[in-house]
Amino acid sequence: DGGITQSPKYLFRKEGQNVTLSCEQNLNHDAMYWYRQDPGQGLRLIYYSQIVNDFQKGDIAEGYSVSREKKESFPLTVTSAQKNPTAFYLCASSIDSGLYNEQFFGPGTRLTVL
Amino acid sequence: QKEVEQNSGPLSVPEGAIASLNCTYSDRVSQSFFWYRQYSGKSPELIMSIYSNGDKEDGRFTAQLNKASQYVSLLIRDSQPSDSATYLCAGSGGYQKVTFGTGTKLQVIP
Repeated sequence: DGGITQSPKYLFRKEGQNVTLSCEQNLNHDAMYWYRQDPGQGLRLIYYSQIVNDFQKGDIAEGYSVSREKKESFPLTVTSAQKNPTAFYLCASSIDSGLYNEQFFGPGTRLTVL
Repeated sequence: QKEVEQNSGPLSVPEGAIASLNCTYSDRVSQSFFWYRQYSGKSPELIMSIYSNGDKEDGRFTAQLNKASQYVSLLIRDSQPSDSATYLCAGSGGYQKVTFGTGTKLQVIP
């Protein structure tokens, strides 16, 4: 059963902690993305990766880091440098990052800072 | 001008009516367009993609693209209460980046 999985579904972080959000896909997609969604706002791009061992910053990369060591996996670390991390985090993937780049989303991780 | 703009709504339509959702875009996102449906607390689900001028139909959904006027719309025929959700319009200027609008909330009244 192909798809994108994210874990955990809910995550609580104390101030000053780093946390890592997992994203795995078995769709054989080359490109993967991380977005953040805040109430009343659209999706904002944090990082994206077109290929293994390569990734680029999106519009709001400050305070976040990623890695792409395997095609299937694109974990996101929310560092203590991210000032307002409480949000709904969405991982997506697409066959490639070309013109017809339909993106498919995982179920999301809701992060709350205590 | 924002790259992708949508009216936040809510748009209320009676059950069985046609719901019309609209989106305008800038030159930077003028190649590919996508409509997503997002239920409250859930992740977006891709409904339609459209790449060329004209209409594209899929079941009760029709996407319309007018590149001269820079707008894209989504029509939902025979609207059902289960269609009540937020609909996100998204556009891509070519490679890599897709820009999302803030979404239009649709309410279908039984």
